[in-house]
Amino acid sequence: AQSVTQLGSHVSVSEGALVLLRCNYSSSVPPYLFWYVQYPNQGLQLLLKYTTGATLVKGINGFEAEFKKSETSFHLTKPSAHMSDAAEYFCAVTLNTGGFKTIFGAGTRLFVKA
Amino acid sequence: GAGVSQSPRYKVAKRGQDVALRCDPISGHVSLFWYQQALGQGPEFLTYFQNEAQLDKSGLPSDRFFAERPEGSVSTLKIQRTQQEDSAVYLCASSSPAGSRQETQYFGPGTRLLVL
Repeated sequence: AQSVTQLGSHVSVSEGALVLLRCNYSSSVPPYLFWYVQYPNQGLQLLLKYTTGATLVKGINGFEAEFKKSETSFHLTKPSAHMSDAAEYFCAVTLNTGGFKTIFGAGTRLFVKA
Repeated sequence: GAGVSQSPRYKVAKRGQDVALRCDPISGHVSLFWYQQALGQGPEFLTYFQNEAQLDKSGLPSDRFFAERPEGSVSTLKIQRTQQEDSAVYLCASSSPAGSRQETQYFGPGTRLLVL
């Protein structure tokens, strides 16, 4: 069965510092991988996704993620944190076959210190 | 254009009451998803529609949960005889084209349900 693990329910960084949010997945078939961001009292918004092709994916707001099949990972990074990046981040996976279920991780709350 | 809308935004129900939650997807989107998000957790898949057909309901937690999309646009999630463990935010998402698992899902703001 597929699953998603996000290491660290809370991550705190200083403004201008590197952001690294970790995501590992398990899947028996090639996955589609997503990162979504959720601001308070708002719906989830797509940051970026990996479907096929280039394993380094660039998204909105300066975020990027790299699909590493050998490590079953899809970590999210941003070189320099901004105060506006403070939010909840969710990693998610769907499979290219079978049902239509999307599995989300438990989320990582990012705090950005001035 | 308008995004996904959900109503009501907040709902308080007494234990045992029935509730109905509405989702208006983005116009033209044929795929529609319902999720349940408990406090401090990620969204949990409930069910999926392609137009009016409910193709995956594997995530519905019990037979008290029922979803429909009779005309392939607006969808309603109904919870019968609500229990306290049903308290959560219910999210709706839509996407296009039909049946493509790699497409971006566009989420509504959610309905926060509190069962007393």
